[in-house]
Amino acid sequence: DAGVIQSPRHEVTEMGQEVTLRCKPISGHDYLFWYRQTMMRGLELLIYFNNNVPIDDSGMPEDRFSAKMPNASFSTLKIQPSEPRDSAVYFCASSWGYPGSRETQYFGPGTRLLVL
Amino acid sequence: RKEVEQDPGPFNVPEGATVAFNCTYSNSASQSFFWYRQDCRKEPKLLMSVYSSGNEDGRFTAQLNRASQYISLLIRDSKLSDSATYLCVVNNQAGTALIFGKGTTLSVSS
Repeated sequence: DAGVIQSPRHEVTEMGQEVTLRCKPISGHDYLFWYRQTMMRGLELLIYFNNNVPIDDSGMPEDRFSAKMPNASFSTLKIQPSEPRDSAVYFCASSWGYPGSRETQYFGPGTRLLVL
Repeated sequence: RKEVEQDPGPFNVPEGATVAFNCTYSNSASQSFFWYRQDCRKEPKLLMSVYSSGNEDGRFTAQLNRASQYISLLIRDSKLSDSATYLCVVNNQAGTALIFGKGTTLSVSS
């Protein structure tokens, strides 16, 4: 299996622009997670899906952030408009089990976002 | 108190050394515990789960102390390739999310 795939790997944009991050989970996994990692705050869960349905979006910072999962093999995280404080590494992860289970979460390589 | 706290380090040790990391968590109802490893500019990867009775995987030993709410990771005979950041992970009170510590950085030198 190719693992979790994310694109783009790097994104540099200007404040106010729309940013779309993409993720393809591991085939057969029914949970998909979006995380954000910064030096200050560490790794934070933004939102997760089960069978393409958003279950918990309480970690989404504000309305500028939105996530969709139109099918089992694709998800997007969109930031509109972007701000410099959104600069971070965004990881997508997938697993067979719910977040509190012992199932491993497999992370993608991440998207490094820099908002100028 | 933060949900998951770790000493950020860095821990600088020579090859062959034994090193231990501790992590404390605030939610006494947590049931799932893990150590993840993250190499520089890479994604986190599961190193090992932590079981109530403690568990070992080669040179790595994980322990859980529920009474004191801490988790430990012991690395014996450190290798250069062990250099990484080690993330302590605990599930939240509702069991609906994993909470990651900020990590402890280990640097093993020859």
